[in-house]
Order: sequence, then structure tokens, then C-alpha cells
Amino acid sequence: GAGVSQSPSNKVTEKGKDVELRCDPISGHTALYWYRQRLGQGLEFLIYFQGNSAPDKSGLPSDRFSAERTGESVSTLTIQRTQQEDSAVYLCASSLDITGNTIYFGEGSWLTVV
Amino acid sequence: KQEVTQIPAALSVPEGENLVLNCSFTDSAIYNLQWFRQDPGKGLTSLLLIQSSQREQTSGRLNASLDKSSGRSTLYIAASQPGDSATYLCAAHPYNQGGKLIFGQGTELSVKP
Repeated sequence: GAGVSQSPSNKVTEKGKDVELRCDPISGHTALYWYRQRLGQGLEFLIYFQGNSAPDKSGLPSDRFSAERTGESVSTLTIQRTQQEDSAVYLCASSLDITGNTIYFGEGSWLTVV
Repeated sequence: KQEVTQIPAALSVPEGENLVLNCSFTDSAIYNLQWFRQDPGKGLTSLLLIQSSQREQTSGRLNASLDKSSGRSTLYIAASQPGDSATYLCAAHPYNQGGKLIFGQGTELSVKP
């Protein structure tokens, strides 16, 4: 595609519900990244994929968070039993590979847990 | 551990001024340094990427420099316009952390008409 696409763009969910956030990277990009940004704060690294593998999951905040990628394409970030502190914008990005190419971000999925 | 710092945190200038945003990083073992722009409620837009072997990159009114030895990068904006108002983020891409970018906290720029 022309750019990184994320869905939903906005999601309001009740505390305790599960949510799935989807990312479609730029076609041909083998590297895919997830970041979180809480209101008024900086970017927090969550996880990255090289192909379908996630070598570094150290940024996932808790075991309620998981992510997968299939077909070296679409990735899904799942948050189980959402808490109010999960409210943030979740940003996905992709690049040709992890060795220093330009990284392109999507518009983000804005999650509000009420 | 790579740390990235941006100074100042906020900057307000009148339209037409030239300005410099600063970014410093603690570990010079990087693939590149990338500058982004973030508008309120939006994602990040890539502005310039400087590979570790390069000294500067230019795009229109923007010029980014990189000095690995001192751990510094600057983003120069010429003839600023109100449309340049946004938060500017720099990010270092370390060799030893796979695909993980390390971001600064950003500089919030306001250009007054």
C-alpha cells in the first residue's frame, strides 16, 4: 500500500474487555514496529518484528499484551482485560529492514478505556 | 544504554525566523538518526534520515546535521512558517538493539504569524 495503515483509528472500550489493533505495513517492508504514546508523553517501544518473528518483546508492558504478524504483512496487537492505564495512541511503523532504513509511521489507533 | 535528549522542550518564534532544534545521544554506535514531525492528534511524519556515515541531509527549508563524535544532531528550519508548528522528534537507531528506535521527548515548536 501507499503507507502504513492502522485500524481502528479510534476505539472506546470498557475496562476488562479485550481489544485488537491492526497494522498493515507498507508492501515489501520486512520490519514492523509497535509503539505506544500516552497523552502528553513520549513514545514507548513495545515490540518489533523482523519478518514474522519478534526478537525483542521486552517493551510489552505486561502479559496482557501480545502481538503477532503473519505472512510478513499484517500485524495484530492484542490487549486483554484492558485497564484505564492502557489508554493511549498505539503507533505502528514499518521499514524495509532493521538495518537503518527510513521508518514510516501510521496515523495510530487511539484507545480509550472507560 | 542509548539515551536521546532534545533541547529545548518548547520553542516559540515569530514567523520568518530561522531556528535550530537540538538532539543529543549517548552512544555513537548507530545506524542512523531520524527526525520526525508530529502534529496534534496525528502519527509521525518522517522528515529527514541521516545515515551514520553522513554529515547532513537537506529537504527544502530543512537541514539536519549529524556529529557522531560529539553525539549531537541539529535540525535547522529556515524562514519558519506557522505551518511548521508541531512537535519535532529525533530518534537514534542503535546497532545493538535490533529494530528499536530510541526517541527523544520532542521539541514543541510554535511559529507565530
